Amino acid sequence: KQEVTQIPAALSVPEGENLVLNCSFTDSAIYNLQWFRQDPGKGLTSLLLIQSSQREQTSGRLNASLDKSSGRSTLYIAASQPGDSATYLCAVETSGSRLTFGEGTQLTVNP
Amino acid sequence: GAVVSQHPSWVICKSGTSVKIECRSLDFQATTMFWYRQFPKQSLMLMATSNEGSKATYEQGVEKDKFLINHASLTLSTLTVTSAHPEDSSFYICSARRGIKETQYFGPGTRLLVL
Repeated sequence: KQEVTQIPAALSVPEGENLVLNCSFTDSAIYNLQWFRQDPGKGLTSLLLIQSSQREQTSGRLNASLDKSSGRSTLYIAASQPGDSATYLCAVETSGSRLTFGEGTQLTVNP
Repeated sequence: GAVVSQHPSWVICKSGTSVKIECRSLDFQATTMFWYRQFPKQSLMLMATSNEGSKATYEQGVEKDKFLINHASLTLSTLTVTSAHPEDSSFYICSARRGIKETQYFGPGTRLLVL
């Protein structure tokens, strides 16, 4: 059974800092890995999707890496801003299009 | 493109009543829709997968007679929580995709509170 773990559970940083969120998964037989953002009481916004054959994806200040063999992914956020404050979820897709989510990292960027 | 809506966004009901939640793909046809549940401070858990015109596939531990899913068209799926109880109070999120190996697009969620 696939399990996804995210570390840390919560993170508070001052504005402008670069930061890294971590995600690990137990079964490396994945199709892709996706990072989402969730604001309180809201749905999910997809940030980056990395196919299993890829090593990383970049979008603006966000960079996500994938090491499938070791079952790890990182989300790097450069020059953090207060608007980045949200919960970040990592999810892996396995057979049958099933998405397994981690419990998220709650990020607070202080002005 | 690829917008998914849910209705209602909030619902409060009495214990024992049934509640229907709609999930619509607004600008694309969704061959598959997914229903997730999220309890406070926890992650999303897949409840069921529904393909248009066929019966939903439920995850282990999810009662199909309690959570009725209908996917009657390529743009609409409904989740009915029958005889709701306070422990069913949760945030229900749907997602939809165009086809196999396509990404899932998520709705804004429906918060259910059962009194």
